[in-house]
Amino acid sequence: GAVVSQHPSRVICKSGTSVKIECRSLDFQATTMFWYRQFPKQSLMLMATSNEGSKATYEQGVEKDKFLINHASLTLSTLTVTSAHPEDSSFYICSARGQNNQPQHFGDGTRLSIL
Amino acid sequence: GQQVMQIPQYQHVQEGEDFTTYCNSSTTLSNIQWYKQRPGGHPVFLIQLVKSGEVKKQKRLTFQFGEAKKNSSLHITATQTTDVGTYFCAGTDSNYQLIWGAGTKLIIKP
Repeated sequence: GAVVSQHPSRVICKSGTSVKIECRSLDFQATTMFWYRQFPKQSLMLMATSNEGSKATYEQGVEKDKFLINHASLTLSTLTVTSAHPEDSSFYICSARGQNNQPQHFGDGTRLSIL
Repeated sequence: GQQVMQIPQYQHVQEGEDFTTYCNSSTTLSNIQWYKQRPGGHPVFLIQLVKSGEVKKQKRLTFQFGEAKKNSSLHITATQTTDVGTYFCAGTDSNYQLIWGAGTKLIIKP
């Protein structure tokens, strides 16, 4: 089946640090990649949608200058949490999709802890 | 905006009992997808339903898509401890946007 690799799986860092998370589709071309945030015991919250070569579309309430998304190729998207603060601590999950109407395949997620 | 309501939020069952989760959309969907997320893990795609009235089975799991393509259900027969997790439905709208249900957490009572 389709494989999506997400790194790192866990990050612990000091407040003010910027953190980059990578999401790669290993065996298919991901026309669209999605970035989600999930708080404990809650559903997935879509942060942004990115199409290869285009600017990401951010959901309402998500700061685009805070969460920088780059989707430079059909197999790689990155999310950079800039100047992270404790309230940014969360579980971040990426997913990738080939064509429209196809299912999303998820990475393993990144657990971000800001001290 | 478009919403997909999923109920119940939690369900506690004894091992061996059946489990059902329901999703209802405010608008007609192009398709509906089901995912399972184990505790501490990421969502894993289970199945996609496309046709009106479609029913698909995966071993003890039965998935249904309503005639109006607005509702769907997932039924698990004779639950096992390996079924524990949160089950999400996600509907695709006419703009290919995925609208997620809030998930139903299945808890197996020992």
